[in-house]
Amino acid sequence: DVKVTQSSRYLVKRTGEKVFLECVQDMDHENMFWYRQDPGLGLRLIYFSYDVKMKEKGDIPEGYSVSREKKERFSLILESASTNQTSMYLCASRQGSYNEQFFGPGTRLTVL
Amino acid sequence: QKEVEQNSGPLSVPEGAIASLNCTYSDRVSQSFFWYRQYSGKSPELIMSIYSNGDKEDGRFTAQLNKASQYVSLLIRDSQPSDSATYLCAVNSGSNDYKLSFGAGTTVTVRA
Repeated sequence: DVKVTQSSRYLVKRTGEKVFLECVQDMDHENMFWYRQDPGLGLRLIYFSYDVKMKEKGDIPEGYSVSREKKERFSLILESASTNQTSMYLCASRQGSYNEQFFGPGTRLTVL
Repeated sequence: QKEVEQNSGPLSVPEGAIASLNCTYSDRVSQSFFWYRQYSGKSPELIMSIYSNGDKEDGRFTAQLNKASQYVSLLIRDSQPSDSATYLCAVNSGSNDYKLSFGAGTTVTVRA
């Protein structure tokens, strides 16, 4: 079975802090994704990586950056956290185009 | 027009009945279609994928795809209380193969 893990289930940070969310997958998948999920807005794509050191902006990249130095690890960085970044953050991975994505357990981030 | 639209629900069905979930999409060249189940506070879990027109059955779940009508549905037969969850329809963009567009979800409650 595909396993996608995220570094924290719950995280509380203060406004202005730099925040790192880590995601690791163990199935040698090429593609990795970061989403946020908010009530009434559904799942929205923040960033996507189709290979090591490659990244593409999703629908809502503002205020975020990403890093993919190794194939199995994809990090989401909030350079200066703001209260409107309070959300559930979901990482996913996929092998190849048109295939299903597998999600990690999610990190619920609260920015105070 | 939203890329993926689902009947908003909530949908309440008695135990043992069939739950029918509908989804329409706007991208005519979409290639792959997925149904995810999401329990409250949890991450989405893949339950079905479908790539060609027709029906695909997996246990109590049947996915139906009609590309000409840009329509995909999910039937849950013999509904159980454990099926109570939000069901997300996801469609791969035909033009950007990495992008998975999600519907807002339909919440299903199975009454014992």
